[in-house]
Amino acid sequence: DAGVIQSPRHEVTEMGQEVTLRCKPISGHDYLFWYRQTMMRGLELLIYFNNNVPIDDSGMPEDRFSAKMPNASFSTLKIQPSEPRDSAVYFCASSLRTDTDTQYFGPGTRLTVL
Amino acid sequence: GQQVMQIPQYQHVQEGEDFTTYCNSSTTLSNIQWYKQRPGGHPVFLIQLVKSGEVKKQKRLTFQFGEAKKNSSLHITATQTTDVGTYFCAGGNQGGKLIFGQGTELSVKP
Repeated sequence: DAGVIQSPRHEVTEMGQEVTLRCKPISGHDYLFWYRQTMMRGLELLIYFNNNVPIDDSGMPEDRFSAKMPNASFSTLKIQPSEPRDSAVYFCASSLRTDTDTQYFGPGTRLTVL
Repeated sequence: GQQVMQIPQYQHVQEGEDFTTYCNSSTTLSNIQWYKQRPGGHPVFLIQLVKSGEVKKQKRLTFQFGEAKKNSSLHITATQTTDVGTYFCAGGNQGGKLIFGQGTELSVKP
């Protein structure tokens, strides 16, 4: 298995632009997680899905952030409009059966908003 | 809500010295996991502890889970430069999600 795949690996955009981050979880994993990592705030859980259904989005910072999982092999995290304070590394992770199982992280997307 | 606190935030050691990071939860955990993130990399799973008082070893790394299942530690004996990175604990709560600590960043001076 290729592991969790994220794209793009790097994204540089200007304030106000829409940003879409993509994730392909490990095949057969029921859970998918989106995290944001910054020096100041560490690793923050934004939202997670079980069988494509959002379970907990309490970590989503504001309405500018949205996430979808249209099928078991694909998820997106969208920021619209983006702001400089959204600059961070965004990780996607998946786990097999429960929300406390081992999580397998993707390589991350480094987002820079100018 | 449940919180997982990790200390210290940073640790600088000389190569060959030991290193320990501690993890404390405000509530009883169902399990504790440890992850390592190399600089510029992503968190990678190291180990999971489930039983009260459990101790597991991986070469120079020793992991402990407290008797009350509310704390854990990771100890590295005789650090090497390859140990550099950030170590995260993550606590599982029954019926809840995995909560990550803030991580301990380890630097090793050769």
